[in-house]
Amino acid sequence: AQRVTQPEKLLSVFKGAPVELKCNYSYSGSPELFWYVQYSRQRLQLLLRHISRESIKGFTADLNKGETSFHLKKPFAQEEDSAMYYCALSGRAAGNKLTFGGGTRVLVKP
Amino acid sequence: DTGVSQDPRHKITKRGQNVTFRCDPISEHNRLYWYRQTLGQGPEFLTYFQNEAQLEKSRLLSDRFSAERPKGSFSTLEIQRTEQGDSAMYLCASSLAGMSETQYFGPGTRLLVL
Repeated sequence: AQRVTQPEKLLSVFKGAPVELKCNYSYSGSPELFWYVQYSRQRLQLLLRHISRESIKGFTADLNKGETSFHLKKPFAQEEDSAMYYCALSGRAAGNKLTFGGGTRVLVKP
Repeated sequence: DTGVSQDPRHKITKRGQNVTFRCDPISEHNRLYWYRQTLGQGPEFLTYFQNEAQLEKSRLLSDRFSAERPKGSFSTLEIQRTEQGDSAMYLCASSLAGMSETQYFGPGTRLLVL
């Protein structure tokens, strides 16, 4: 069965400091990995996906198949990055549904 | 069409009552998903449709839950004989099937069962 683990429930950092959100997964096959973000009073929205290999809002994430990880990183956190972040996976063996981790709340302090 | 919409946004009901939620996907999207999110957890998959066909149902979806997408457009999720444990946020998402499928989420319906 597929599983996504986000070990940190809360990350508190100062503005300008680096931030890294951890995500580990288990899946039989080739997964597609995503990071979704939910800002206060807004709906869940896609932040980035591993196949795009792009940086969104300064965030990057690298899929490490050996360590089954997909950690999200940003070198200089901004106050507007304060939000709830969810790591998720999908794949043909998972029927295209998303399996989410429990989420990490990021608080960026001024 | 500004995105996925859900109605109602909030629902308070008494235990044992039936409730029905509606989801309107992005118009050209052929896939529609339902998820449930309880406090402090990530969303959990319930079921999904491709056009009008319901292709997968989670074990979370007991026989009190039923979902339909009669014309391949909007979908309804009905919960019969609600229980306090059904209290949660019910999320709908839609997507266009393809290589780079992205699910777009609605604002959710928050259900409170008293």
